[in-house]
Amino acid sequence: DSGVTQTPKHLITATGQRVTLRCSPRSGDLSVYWYQQSLDQGLQFLIHYYNGEERAKGNILERFSAQQFPDLHSELNLSSLELGDSALYFCASSVADWSVPNEQYFGPGTRLTVT
Amino acid sequence: DAKTTQPTSMDCAEGRAANLPCNHSTISGNEYVYWYRQIHSQGPQYIIHGLKNNETNEMASLIITEDRKSSTLILPHATLRDTAVYYCIVRVPSNQGAQKLVFGQGTRLTINP
Repeated sequence: DSGVTQTPKHLITATGQRVTLRCSPRSGDLSVYWYQQSLDQGLQFLIHYYNGEERAKGNILERFSAQQFPDLHSELNLSSLELGDSALYFCASSVADWSVPNEQYFGPGTRLTVT
Repeated sequence: DAKTTQPTSMDCAEGRAANLPCNHSTISGNEYVYWYRQIHSQGPQYIIHGLKNNETNEMASLIITEDRKSSTLILPHATLRDTAVYYCIVRVPSNQGAQKLVFGQGTRLTINP
């Protein structure tokens, strides 16, 4: 158990719909990262938040957005869903002490199926 | 971040040491080597990281060559639960958004009874 929690575990929805994935980081971690894992693309970095502020964006579609709240939990919003958005979505957290390299701890993921 | 090359798959007998190689010939002086693994659709799990010196923790050992162009992850006594995809990643610690992990295809390690 990494200490990172994600809800829901599974989500099935239809094309065109909007969903919200939730992540709670480990206690004390200020950074939250979102990754997408699909069969054809592997694990891809989407976005990084540090203490409520967006720090880096990866291959995140404009239909996707995220935020990190004052209590440090994060939400990933996916809208106008397409079949190709079906994937595992992982959240990770880290301490983010900039003076040393720090490891990321991953949650169990949310499996999104778009039908 | 430097590119890494890993074998696509490897097999190891249960109880033996599993040695997973990684080539990172373009690594720069301040890039760290990280290893993660992913057990069948679970979240990736951090294993170990290092810069120059060999490192050991309760999970594994990391051997980095003197020129830092390659490294080996060693699982000393592999068990069936070590069957997973192992990812070798090199990156620079930074507060400029470079904290993302860039995953390659990894090595699919199968531990056989």
